[in-house]
Amino acid sequence: RKEVEQDPGPFNVPEGATVAFNCTYSNSASQSFFWYRQDCRKEPKLLMSVYSSGNEDGRFTAQLNRASQYISLLIRDSKLSDSATYLCVVTATGTASKLTFGTGTRLQVTL
Amino acid sequence: EPEVTQTPSHQVTQMGQEVILRCVPISNHLYFYWYRQILGQKVEFLVSFYNNEISEKSEIFDDQFSVERPDGSNFTLKIRSTKLEDSAMYFCASFGRGARETQYFGPGTRLLVL
Repeated sequence: RKEVEQDPGPFNVPEGATVAFNCTYSNSASQSFFWYRQDCRKEPKLLMSVYSSGNEDGRFTAQLNRASQYISLLIRDSKLSDSATYLCVVTATGTASKLTFGTGTRLQVTL
Repeated sequence: EPEVTQTPSHQVTQMGQEVILRCVPISNHLYFYWYRQILGQKVEFLVSFYNNEISEKSEIFDDQFSVERPDGSNFTLKIRSTKLEDSAMYFCASFGRGARETQYFGPGTRLLVL
C-alpha cells in the first residue's frame, strides 16, 4: 500500500465551482499533515496545515480524520489561479522530520 | 518573506560525471533537506541534515550521494558518478520553528544526465 494515496485527476471544473480532494495515508503514527500546492515545474509551496479539528483559510478548508487515516481539501469558488497540482503530505514524527508526499491531484479550473 | 535559493537552476552533465548542487537555506533555520522529483512522479525524500550531520536518509541516498554544509550558509548535495536515472528536479528545503512550522522549498535544480 502506498504511504500517501491521492486520486491523480485531473479534475476539470468551471470557475466558481466547489471541488474536493481526498487523501489517505498508511502510517497510523503520522503526526503532521499538510496540503502543498505545486505549479508546473515549480517547487511545492505550503497551502495549509491540517488539524484534527479542521481548519479554514479563506476559500480553502482542510479536514483530518485520524481514525480513517483520511485527509481532505475543499476549495470553494474556484479561481483560474487555483489551477495546479495539490499535494497531500504527511510526516511520521513531527514537523522537522521528512515529508512524505502523495503523487498529487491535478486541478484545472476553466472559464 | 525569506526564501531558500538554489544554484544552478539547470545542469546538464554526462553520465559518470560528478555534480554539486548548491542551496542557501533560510538564515535562522537549523534543519536542511534534499528531495528529488523525477518528471511525472512524486516528490521523494533523499536526506535530512541537522547539527552538522545526517539525521535521516532514504534508500535512494546511496554511496553516490553526499551532503555538506561547508560554511555557515551553503548546503550542498554531491552526486559522485551520475547515472541516467539521476535526471530529476532536486529541491532543497529548510525548516525552522516559527509561525509556519513546515519546510520551505527552494526553486529546484533541474538535472539532466546524458
